[in-house]
Formats: sequence, structure tokens, C-alpha cells
Amino acid sequence: QKEVEQNSGPLSVPEGAIASLNCTYSDRGSQSFFWYRQYSGKSPELIMSIYSNGDKEDGRFTAQLNKASQYVSLLIRDSQPSDSATYLCAVNLNFGNEKLTFGTGTRLTIIP
Amino acid sequence: DGGITQSPKYLFRKEGQNVTLSCEQNLNHDAMYWYRQDPGQGLRLIYYSQIVNDFQKGDIAEGYSVSREKKESFPLTVTSAQKNPTAFYLCASSLQGQGPLGYTFGSGTRLTVV
Repeated sequence: QKEVEQNSGPLSVPEGAIASLNCTYSDRGSQSFFWYRQYSGKSPELIMSIYSNGDKEDGRFTAQLNKASQYVSLLIRDSQPSDSATYLCAVNLNFGNEKLTFGTGTRLTIIP
Repeated sequence: DGGITQSPKYLFRKEGQNVTLSCEQNLNHDAMYWYRQDPGQGLRLIYYSQIVNDFQKGDIAEGYSVSREKKESFPLTVTSAQKNPTAFYLCASSLQGQGPLGYTFGSGTRLTVV
């Protein structure tokens, strides 16, 4: 079992709809969770971080964490063509060691 | 402006050559990392360093070497022992001891074997 798993997609969503991206992780000791957006040929950029169970909202983005189910998701509301990118889920095991383990990413396409 | 600079942006390596990728940061971050990304894949950790003069192997260290002589610099050498080095290489840095706040990434180096 991979440590961090994502559906590779591609995931196609109409413009203006909600895009839902999912990630599961294998290590119950994982403490911190991140979502990165990566445009083709570019480096990843951090868009959301979440540390506690529940929802965290930032603009059109909502991260959801369920540690009991070892599941973290990212919702993008009012999807725009500029949201078309690969979204990487990353997990950190312990505070004090910032090493991240990444999933393979989900490719999202917003259809105008 | 603070950030991470990777150079060169594109690099071509002949069979049997060693090549070195540069990574410099002026963010005063303690930790630095090297990741490799293959097409359609996530990031795989090669090496990381939490303090000067100390570094640890990641998941795919074979065929690579690093040094950390200065806080600002963490160069990666791809040796001839790395049989499939064609990939996108990303350097990142982060603060230590304040809980994981996520990485800052450089713009990457695309290495191609010719």
C-alpha cells in the first residue's frame, strides 16, 4: 500500500461547479496535511494546510480532514479554468520533522 | 525578495557524466530537500538536510550525492551510477521547529540524458 494515495484522474469539472479531490494515507501517526497545486512544467505551490479534524476554508478552497478514516480532501467551489492543474496531496508524520510524503497527484481539468 | 533559486533550468547529461544541480535559498530556512518528479508521478524524496554539515538519505538516494556546507546552499550531484536520471528535479526548503508549515519550492531543473 502506498503511503499517500490519490486518484490520478483526469478529473473533468464544468466551470462554476465544485471540484472534489481526495487523498488517503496509510500512517495513523500522520499529523499535518497539505494540498499543492502544480501547473504543467512548474513547481508546486502550497494552497492549503490542515492539522485538525474537520473543515478549513480559504476563499474558494476547503480542506477536509478525517483522521479516523485517514482521509483528506480538497473542495474547489466555483471552479475556474485557471484551476486546471495537478493537485498534490502531501502528508507529514511528526512535528519537528518537516519531511513530506507526496501522493502522485490528481489532474484536474475545468471545462469552460 | 526571498526565495529559492535553482539552476540551471535545463540540463543535458551525457552517458557516464556526473552533473551538479544548484539550489540556493535566502529565506533563512534550516531544512532543505531534493525531490525527483517523473512524468505523471508525484514527488519522491532523494535527500534532505535539517542542519549544516548533516544530511539524510530519502527514498531514492542511490546514484545521487549532496553536500550542505552552508545554510543557504544544498547542491545535488547526479552521478553516473544513476541509470535513469531523466526527470524534473525540485529543491525545497522549510523552517524547523515551528511545526510543518509546508515547503517553499524552487522553480526546478529539468535534466535530460542525451
